[in-house]
Amino acid sequence: DTGVSQNPRHKITKRGQNVTFRCDPISEHNRLYWYRQTLGQGPEFLTYFQNEAQLEKSRLLSDRFSAERPKGSFSTLEIQRTEQGDSAMYLCASSLEEGTYEQYFGPGTRLTVT
Amino acid sequence: DAKTTQPPSMDCAEGRAANLPCNHSTISGNEYVYWYRQIHSQGPQYIIHGLKNNETNEMASLIITEDRKSSTLILPHATLRDTAVYYCIVRGYSNTGKLIFGQGTTLQVKP
Repeated sequence: DTGVSQNPRHKITKRGQNVTFRCDPISEHNRLYWYRQTLGQGPEFLTYFQNEAQLEKSRLLSDRFSAERPKGSFSTLEIQRTEQGDSAMYLCASSLEEGTYEQYFGPGTRLTVT
Repeated sequence: DAKTTQPPSMDCAEGRAANLPCNHSTISGNEYVYWYRQIHSQGPQYIIHGLKNNETNEMASLIITEDRKSSTLILPHATLRDTAVYYCIVRGYSNTGKLIFGQGTTLQVKP
């Protein structure tokens, strides 16, 4: 399968712990996006990378959140000192830079903070 | 990017056409209409997009009105597997590419 993959699929953590999620995009895609989705809502944009450069961050991305994409391949999203409000589905998507700009989404990582 | 308005929910009988409307009255000339859907517990899936001409692919057809202020996504023969939340998104080609999702329309296909 050459689609977007995300790991882990589920994560349960206690409040105050740090968590890290990984996204592996489609190999030839140089754009990578992170979104967050809470129950009953549409996904909300968090940040995006073009190759290894992080070019935009949403105001939703507090100082406790950090994302990286070393060497322009996979990406990680880390949340420090998790809070119950961080409980959500974290979605990753990738796309080509040019062309139709359609984004291909991974299955998501569901985070539950207890 | 222009805002979109969609009905919160719709039903469709299996085998019939599902017509999902979307209003985007503030759309500007260089903005495209995109449709994605999200089946329960999965990531969103791209369906189709268009600028001003009607578009068709293996999944669906997109009909955009002449004034571009509204559009309709048509699933010609809905199946139970088409039950999902459908999102209509307006986006310009020149921006970062981020998608601004609304609440979408929950389509329930019934046997």
